[in-house]
Amino acid sequence: EIVLTQSPGTLSLSPGERATLSCRASQSVSSSYLAWYQQKPGQAPRLLIYGASSRATGIPDRFSGSGSGTDFTLTITRLEPEDFAVYYCQQYGGSPQGATFGPGTKLDIK
Amino acid sequence: QVQLQESGPGLVKPSETLSLNCSVSGYSISRGSYWGWIRQPPGKGLEWVGTIYHNGNTYYKPSLRSRVTISVDTSENQFSLKLSSVTAADTAVYYCARWVMLSYDYWGRGTLVTVSS
Repeated sequence: EIVLTQSPGTLSLSPGERATLSCRASQSVSSSYLAWYQQKPGQAPRLLIYGASSRATGIPDRFSGSGSGTDFTLTITRLEPEDFAVYYCQQYGGSPQGATFGPGTKLDIK
Repeated sequence: QVQLQESGPGLVKPSETLSLNCSVSGYSISRGSYWGWIRQPPGKGLEWVGTIYHNGNTYYKPSLRSRVTISVDTSENQFSLKLSSVTAADTAVYYCARWVMLSYDYWGRGTLVTVSS
């Protein structure tokens, strides 16, 4: 089973700054199988990126995803107040493993 | 616009069966796509529970497989989750979602299920 590790656990930044979130897999993951979600308190997760680098419908272009193999990155340029949330990466391990989520990175206002 | 809505009891007794429904609107399940259940214990991360295809094929998290059943009712445009022999560890917000492009693009708002006597 592929395990995802996210770093840092918490990232404290100010609006307008750039955020770089990391997701590392215990084994190589196809780029097609890597997604990123944003979750705000009391809300369901929201799909940001699929296929490692494709933005989901309606996602602003300040969000971008990159990476391959075992190392993936979510970058948010010019943080807006509404971007402070928890971010999860997710990979698809095929059947029967299904989907696996990382533990999350909390993006805090500094 | 695809919308999903979970429904079911918010309190289940230990050893009993948790049952939830997910009603889908804005998209016909019979058209295709996979549909999944994901849960989130209070204050913790996301855990995939299982997925069903519109034809009834199912895929379950291995550690839950012996207790989980997911079914689909295309006539009602909904799918369901049953989790048997629940314990306090099954207390969580349960989300239903649509699986497309190897990710979950539409989610329900989630429903908190507490296991307690």
